[in-house]
Amino acid sequence: KAGVTQTPRYLIKTRGQQVTLSCSPISGHRSVSWYQQTPGQGLQFLFEYFSETQRNKGNFPGRFSGRQFSNSRSEMNVSTLELGDSALYLCASSLGNTGGAFFGQGTRLTVV
Amino acid sequence: AQSVTQLDSQVPVFEEAPVELRCNYSSSVSVYLFWYVQYPNQGLQLLLKYLSGSTLVESINGFEAEFNKSQTSFHLRKPSVHISDTAEYFCAVSVPSGGGKLIFGQGTELSVKP
Repeated sequence: KAGVTQTPRYLIKTRGQQVTLSCSPISGHRSVSWYQQTPGQGLQFLFEYFSETQRNKGNFPGRFSGRQFSNSRSEMNVSTLELGDSALYLCASSLGNTGGAFFGQGTRLTVV
Repeated sequence: AQSVTQLDSQVPVFEEAPVELRCNYSSSVSVYLFWYVQYPNQGLQLLLKYLSGSTLVESINGFEAEFNKSQTSFHLRKPSVHISDTAEYFCAVSVPSGGGKLIFGQGTELSVKP
């Protein structure tokens, strides 16, 4: 079974631009969650989608948004990028219960 | 709300020595508990989890963790570490009604020296 796939692996963007990150979950998994990882703040929960609906949301500004498609693939979008948005963005998929999630390798976003 | 505290940010240890990585949590409701491992430039891998039942859980690579409800702890142990165990370890909690949301500790960097 293929794991969680995130694309792209690396991105460099300029302040003020927007970016879209993609996540393909494990086949059969209906829940996709997104996390931001930085050296200062650690791993912080962004949001979770289950069956195309946002089920949970973390404490991030509205510039961070996401969506999930009918095949469970998910995208997250960050608009008006700031330098502080530089981070490793991790996607995790699960069956939807709370038995643990499987993570992708992440997308490293650098904002210059 | 839930929170997780990993008491040590860095743990250096010699190869073949035992190690304990400490994790405490705070929650007013029952929680599920997890340990994840992250190797450099990689995502997180689930090491082990406690959902219910036996309070001692084991992973396939020799790690174990014990859930202690009275002390709200979920410490990770290994009796003999290898160089390949060098990585960052994260403790996490979720709540049964919380869907897939995980709340992580700040991480413990385990460094195994020859």
